[in-house]
Amino acid sequence: QSALTQPRSVSGSPGQSVTISCTGTGSDVYAYNYVSWFQHHPGKAPRLLIYDVSKRPSGVPDRFSGSKSAYTASLTISGLQDDDEADYHCCSYAGSDTWVFGGGTKLTVL
Amino acid sequence: EVQLVESGGGLVQPGGSLKLSCAASGFTFSNYEMNWVRQAPGKGLEWISHISATGLTVFYVDSLRGRFTLSRDNDRNTLSLQLNNVRVEDTAVYYCARGSATFFYSYYMDVWGKGTTVTVSS
Repeated sequence: QSALTQPRSVSGSPGQSVTISCTGTGSDVYAYNYVSWFQHHPGKAPRLLIYDVSKRPSGVPDRFSGSKSAYTASLTISGLQDDDEADYHCCSYAGSDTWVFGGGTKLTVL
Repeated sequence: EVQLVESGGGLVQPGGSLKLSCAASGFTFSNYEMNWVRQAPGKGLEWISHISATGLTVFYVDSLRGRFTLSRDNDRNTLSLQLNNVRVEDTAVYYCARGSATFFYSYYMDVWGKGTTVTVSS
């Protein structure tokens, strides 16, 4: 149950797009199309942005999109806004009712 | 409003015990599987435990099995995590998170609480 690999930080200017990667193994990201992404502002509850690799819950803007190729899932945020500055976490189902998260990525809006 | 509220965190000495609770409201608690996730200072989120809707089946991350015990009371809409023999490395914010519904299976956690902080220190 090793953590998924995410970049420690990414940055972008308002209006730009950024992509955050999440690399796993054959036991999690590669094996299942059950990758989810969370936005986390410090002191608040994590917010589900993407589930099942690319699906958005109601209320999440279409500026947030997800994809997956082989061992790596990605979250793309387009039209960056100041409020997007937060930590982003990926999560993959790993079988037998277990899950694994990434180390988290801090997004800075310049 | 669907809501999860954690409580029970605090300062505990290494080797001590602590019981965390999560109060659920705004949904039919007994219809959902539940999870605990923690975040140590400066680290990412870590899934630590999952419990079925009935409470009959519980899973733990390998590194914690034997020290933590997850249970639920569907009559009181409450999830509990008993932490025993705690270590300094258990210092973290602990979150409860809603999992799959029994009537439509899914593999993500859609509702989270704001967390409760556990500090293990002498």
